[in-house]
Amino acid sequence: QSALTQPPSASGSPGQSVTISCTGTSSDVGGYNYVSWYQQHPGKAPKLMIYEVTKRPSGVPDRFSGSKSGNTASLTVSGLQAEDEADYYCSSYAGRHYVFGTGTKVTVL
Amino acid sequence: EVQLVESGGGLVKPGGSLRLSCAASGFTFSNAWMSWVRQAPGKGLEWVGRIKSKTDAGTTDYAAPVKGRFTISRDDSKNTLYLQMNSLKTEDTAVYYCSTLIAFHHNYWGQGILVTVSS
Repeated sequence: QSALTQPPSASGSPGQSVTISCTGTSSDVGGYNYVSWYQQHPGKAPKLMIYEVTKRPSGVPDRFSGSKSGNTASLTVSGLQAEDEADYYCSSYAGRHYVFGTGTKVTVL
Repeated sequence: EVQLVESGGGLVKPGGSLRLSCAASGFTFSNAWMSWVRQAPGKGLEWVGRIKSKTDAGTTDYAAPVKGRFTISRDDSKNTLYLQMNSLKTEDTAVYYCSTLIAFHHNYWGQGILVTVSS
């Protein structure tokens, strides 16, 4: 399996919104509603932010939202805050396997 | 509180072997599906493999780059997950994370353990 494609970087000012795309194929993103998103701060373990395309775990702010259309999933962070500056990875179930995205560094200007 | 603590990392020569452990607490380990995920220095996350619970047959699946070299196992009596790594290559150098796998997403992660493969 090839890694899912994400833009290397995204940025926004505090209070603005940023959207990160995650493009796969019909064998992963497009084939299942099992896309998840992870936030990773430098030197830390990843943290689950979104699962099953749109669901938020308990404790994750509702500023984080997910969607999917065809083979592309998206994560939107609304009302950007300084603590949102991190790397973000998408992931998809791919039939007995899992594949992660290439990662996007979000910078809060 | 869920805790996952990896151990067993370190420096190993190419062609060598290493076994990682992941001690779990705060949840019913025997019912959990578990994954290993790695991250090479400065790179993205890469799924390594997964083991199902014994009630779901305890089967394993692996990513292509490690299939045939790595083996995931579990000891439910010790609440511990293992990753046996053989025939290690320099490209296996990474931080290795264990993670709980619930309904197709990785919800809890350990702090990670560094494995360095170098001569």
